Amino acid sequence: KAGVTQTPRYLIKTRGQQVTLSCSPISGHRSVSWYQQTPGQGLQFLFEYFSETQRNKGNFPGRFSGRQFSNSRSEMNVSTLELGDSALYLCASSLGQGGNTEAFFGQGTRLTVV
Amino acid sequence: GESVGLHLPTLSVQEGDNSIINCAYSNSASDYFIWYKQESGKGPQFIIDIRSNMDKRQGQRVTVLLNKTVKHLSLQIAATQPGDSAVYFCARGSQGNLIFGKGTKLSVKP
Repeated sequence: KAGVTQTPRYLIKTRGQQVTLSCSPISGHRSVSWYQQTPGQGLQFLFEYFSETQRNKGNFPGRFSGRQFSNSRSEMNVSTLELGDSALYLCASSLGQGGNTEAFFGQGTRLTVV
Repeated sequence: GESVGLHLPTLSVQEGDNSIINCAYSNSASDYFIWYKQESGKGPQFIIDIRSNMDKRQGQRVTVLLNKTVKHLSLQIAATQPGDSAVYFCARGSQGNLIFGKGTKLSVKP
C-alpha cells in the first residue's frame, strides 16, 4: 500500500508569490492534515480536512488555505509569500479524525522563500 | 495552556544500551498520545501510540509509558541501534489535530 505522497519535494519562491502544495493520502484515508515545521517553532498544525470539509484550523493567517477533493487528495495554498513562510510543509493522513487515530506523514515539501 | 514539552533536547547513548526519552504535557483532558521518529530529510514516522485508558503499551523494541497523575509520557527503546539515531517527538491529540513537543535528538555511539 503506497504511503502519503507530497509534491513537489522542493520549491523555491520569491516573496509576494503564491504557492500550491499537493498531498495524496494513503488509499482509504479520508482525513488529511497539514503541518508546518520550522527549527524555531517545531511542528505546528495548519488545518485538517475530512470528506472535502475543513474540520479544524490552526492559528495561521488567512494567507494559508487548503482544500480537499472527492478522492481525498488535498492541496494547500500560501499567497503573498513572506520570508518567514520558509519551512517544511508536512501532510498527514488518517483513517479517522485527525488527532485521535494513527496519522502517517509524507516526506514533506521544503519551501524556500527568497 | 496546551503544550507538550520534552525534558531534554539531546540524548546520547551507547549502542546496545536502552534509551529513555521523556515528555511532559499540560492538558489533562488529552486521551491520545503518539511518538514519532524523524530522520534527517524525512517526514515523521509513526512509532507507537497509547490512549489514556492504558498506562503501558509495547511494540517491537519500544515501550510507551503514560503516567496521567504527573502528566508524563516516556518512550523506551531497547538495545538501541545506530539506525535509531533521529529526532523523537511526542504528540498529543487535541480537537482534531496533534500538538507536538519540540523533539529530542537521539545519538547512538558505536
